[in-house]
Formats: sequence, structure tokens, C-alpha cells
Amino acid sequence: EVQVVESGGDLVQPGGSLRLSCTASGFTFTNYWMSWVRQAPGKGLEWVAHINQDGSEKDYLYSVKGRFTISRDNTKNSLYLQMSSLRAEDTAVYYCARQFYDGTRWFDPWGQGTLVTVSS
Amino acid sequence: SYELTQPPSVSVSPGQTASITCSGDKLGDKYVCWYQQRPGQSPVLVIYQDTKRPSGIPERFSGSNSGNTATLTISGTQTMDEADYYCQAWDSTGVFGTGTKVTVL
Repeated sequence: EVQVVESGGDLVQPGGSLRLSCTASGFTFTNYWMSWVRQAPGKGLEWVAHINQDGSEKDYLYSVKGRFTISRDNTKNSLYLQMSSLRAEDTAVYYCARQFYDGTRWFDPWGQGTLVTVSS
Repeated sequence: SYELTQPPSVSVSPGQTASITCSGDKLGDKYVCWYQQRPGQSPVLVIYQDTKRPSGIPERFSGSNSGNTATLTISGTQTMDEADYYCQAWDSTGVFGTGTKVTVL
């Protein structure tokens, strides 16, 4: 079964840091771009970052550039999101997703999500 | 930045057809995909590259995209289709629509 499973969400104070992890299984991890997408409570979906197969290409949502870093470890079939200088507006469920790239990009499947709460 | 606009809500009777629109500047020049998100669950891809259905998605889900509007159509809507639906395109970065809540009643 193709799946991705996130972990690492927690309650963190404003200005703090947190690292999210995502473990993939059921597909050849090294063949795919991977993405993080978030959803604030009661709100819509927001793409956060993506990374290519060997980690040499990355891009970010403008509001997280310089604060978040996406990375991957292909030996562990794992994707990461290092988040620093966290703000209240970063509070969301963070989803990991396999990304397809064929003339455009789409996400399938998505994980169950991990909740990040930024609050004092 | 690029924006995609959806109606906040759509209501449909069981067995009828629901149409959900997604509007953006020259959207027809881009590919659009659609996700279904049932309450408390993760998003699921239901349409990609405007019209293609992933394996396991029922035939009652179909998509189109032309001009400034993409449309997700659910034919013979079932109660299990009650969910939030999001369109998505790519414009140097990922862009999601504002989301539409489909109510089946």
C-alpha cells in the first residue's frame, strides 16, 4: 500500500523550533518530488514547500522562506520540515504528500497530518 | 500571486448532479486537479490534469477546464460525497482554491 505517515507535531512557543518527519512506504521514494501542505484550523489548504528527488531543488511558500527548511533522507525513505521562528499563524495540520510532475504538479497520496500549535 | 476562487457552498439532492467551479485568470492555460476532504480526514485526489480520474475514484466524478473556469462535476451524487472540495493548480508554486463545502440533502 502506498502511504506516507507524518510525525513530530507539538505545542511550541512563538519563536520556537520544531522538526516534522514523514516516512514513505509502498513506492520508490527516490522517483518522486515530495511536498508539505498545511491547513490552519477551519481553513483551506496551503502549499508550504517541495523538494526534488535528490534534494538539489527546493522551493517554499513566500511567508516561510528563511524560516522553514525542507529536506529528505533517501536512505530512510523520509522527508523532513525544519521549522524555526514559529509564529501563531503557522498553527496548522501539516500534511506530507507525494508529488507528481507531468506538465503540472499534483499530490497523491496525503498522510494523516500532524498538528503544530504555536502558542504561549 | 495567483488566486483560485470557489463558491463557499453547493447543495445537491441525492442522485442529482453537483457542479463546483474554480475560477482563475487564464486558468484554462493551466492544468487543474481536485481534492475531496471528508470531515476529519485528509484530502484525497479525485481529478488530475483537468479530466483524469485516479484509480479507485468513481466514474461519477468528472472534470473540465476552459477559459477562466474549471469545473468538477459529480453525477448521481451520493451522501458519501458530502465533503469539502478544493481545486489546485501550479503557478511557480502550488495554489489551492478557497474550497467548496458540498452538502447532500
